[in-house]
Amino acid sequence: EAQVTQNPRYLITVTGKKLTVTCSQNMNHEYMSWYRQDPGLGLRQIYYSMNVEVTDKGDVPEGYKVSRKEKRNFPLILESPSPNQTSLYFCASSLSDGGPNTEAFFGQGTRLTVV
Amino acid sequence: SQQGEEDPQALSIQEGENATMNCSYKTSINNLQWYRQNSGRGLVHLILIRSNEREKHSGRLRVTLDTSKKSSSLLITASRAADTASYFCATDQAGTALIFGKGTTLSVSS
Repeated sequence: EAQVTQNPRYLITVTGKKLTVTCSQNMNHEYMSWYRQDPGLGLRQIYYSMNVEVTDKGDVPEGYKVSRKEKRNFPLILESPSPNQTSLYFCASSLSDGGPNTEAFFGQGTRLTVV
Repeated sequence: SQQGEEDPQALSIQEGENATMNCSYKTSINNLQWYRQNSGRGLVHLILIRSNEREKHSGRLRVTLDTSKKSSSLLITASRAADTASYFCATDQAGTALIFGKGTTLSVSS
């Protein structure tokens, strides 16, 4: 089954404790991205990756890191989480960006609470 | 950069009625997509319309695109309670990303 898998689904952590949210897709997609969703603000892109070893900042990259060592995985790293990073996070993948095959597949989300 | 803006922010209708949501965007696009999100879940792709298309249908969904006005509309006909969800438009910016609007929350009561 084609899918994007995020882990964990729920996470409560303390300020400053490094954490990683994993994202994996089994569709051989080149393009992957991370979004955060906050009430009243919609989805905002954090980082994206056009392919292996190619990543770039989205609209709200501060406080986040990513890596793309393998095509299928795109982890999101919070080196020193702060309460303003409490949010619902989504990973998405698609075949390409800007062309006709740009249907994005989303993971189920990770609800992160930083206290 | 918020590319798409949906209107209205919230919409409440009765089962069987039609629901219309609008999306406006700012810059030229290659295509525009609509997604659906059930409460707190991941987004699900509904339909994609290319910049050279004016209208597209998929089941009870009808999407229009007016590139001269930089706007799109999503019509859901004969709404059902199961259509209750948030709906987002997303536009592509070549070489960057899918940019989402803030969404329209649709509530369909039986």
